[in-house]
Amino acid sequence: DGGITQSPKYLFRKEGQNVTLSCEQNLNHDAMYWYRQDPGQGLRLIYYSQIVNDFQKGDIAEGYSVSREKKESFPLTVTSAQKNPTAFYLCASSPGVAGGRETQYFGPGTRLLVL
Amino acid sequence: GDSVTQMEGPVTLSEEAFLTINCTYTATGYPSLFWYVQYPGEGLQLLLKATKADDKGSNKGFEATYRKETTSFHLEKGSVQVSDSAVYFCALRSSARQLTFGSGTQLTVLP
Repeated sequence: DGGITQSPKYLFRKEGQNVTLSCEQNLNHDAMYWYRQDPGQGLRLIYYSQIVNDFQKGDIAEGYSVSREKKESFPLTVTSAQKNPTAFYLCASSPGVAGGRETQYFGPGTRLLVL
Repeated sequence: GDSVTQMEGPVTLSEEAFLTINCTYTATGYPSLFWYVQYPGEGLQLLLKATKADDKGSNKGFEATYRKETTSFHLEKGSVQVSDSAVYFCALRSSARQLTFGSGTQLTVLP
């Protein structure tokens, strides 16, 4: 089955700890995205990548880092600099950015909780 | 900048009632418009989309028409079911290449 997988489903972070959320897609999509969702709110863009070895900051990139070494993988690291990391994190991908009209497809999400 | 304004929730309806969730937007150029649905504890699923003015997106009995003159993309369904209970997000994608989401509308359908 083609799709987007995120792991783990739940992740617990201790104070001062960096944690990494996994996102993998086998849709052969060029573009990948990370969003943060807080209760009762819409999604906010953290980082996005249009092509391998390239990525750009979104609206709330502070305290987060990403890499895009492979087309199918776009891991997100939540660093200790992120003071309020508790949220639901969603990864998405789309075929490409030409024309800006491609649909984004979402993974099942990872819920990050701070101990 | 781009923005999406959605009807405040929560919305509670009885089964077989008519549903409307309002969505208006502000964007430069000619954005594509989307409705996504999120079931409890899950990611977002694309429900329908429209890419140009007067297009009607439809899926699973839901419909929305891209109205450029009123900058709106209201979601409608003639007869809701309990299984439609979820959070619905309106979103747009303009030349900025990223999705801008509304705040979401929680729908609960009672049997």
